[in-house]
Amino acid sequence: QVQLQESGPGLVKPSETLSLTCSVSGGSISIYHWSWIRQPPGKGLEWIGDIYYSGTTNYNPSLKSRVTISVDTSKNQFSLKLSPVTAADTAVYYCARQPGLRRHVDIWGQGRMVTVSS
Amino acid sequence: DIQMTQSPSSLSASEGDRVTITCRASQGISNYLAWYQQKPGKAPKSLIYAASSLESGVPSKFSGSGSGTDFTLTISSLQPEDFATYYCQQYDTYPQTFGQGTKLEIK
Repeated sequence: QVQLQESGPGLVKPSETLSLTCSVSGGSISIYHWSWIRQPPGKGLEWIGDIYYSGTTNYNPSLKSRVTISVDTSKNQFSLKLSPVTAADTAVYYCARQPGLRRHVDIWGQGRMVTVSS
Repeated sequence: DIQMTQSPSSLSASEGDRVTITCRASQGISNYLAWYQQKPGKAPKSLIYAASSLESGVPSKFSGSGSGTDFTLTISSLQPEDFATYYCQQYDTYPQTFGQGTKLEIK
């Protein structure tokens, strides 16, 4: 079955760029919508944005000026960039699959903890 | 943005109990509502989508209902593995938003 795995640095300095990649295995990325969701320590879930395999994106307005989500169909991966970061961006970052427009998240990655600190 | 408000924020119950968690949307979202279960240190897991449809592999002790602005998640016959935090999510309108969570604890 489809599995998602986040990868990228676990520590990022303030004002720099957070970069994460989600690798999709067990199925093609060239269908469905693919999302990033984050969860600060001890807090709730925040939807960051999503991308369709064609490259169409939707972002949370609260983060839109700092976020870029991209897809690489040849590698079956999609990526998140957030810049510049502050301590408030410290969180577990999840990649996720949403099987269509106006569909819920049916598959989650295990999550990647990213700490923003000098 | 659509605000999702869950109640209660925390809930104590005993094994074998039946509990209900409520989620209210700040505007109508039809049935574009999902429920997730999250255990400490783990990713959320999908339980219910389209307000009342059970995700594949999820036991029928979980059920959802509602439409428009008011939704409920009911868990019957609580077992130790059910004690976790539960979140609702609306996916009707961008940005998608989550409730603040309901922590279900053992009494």
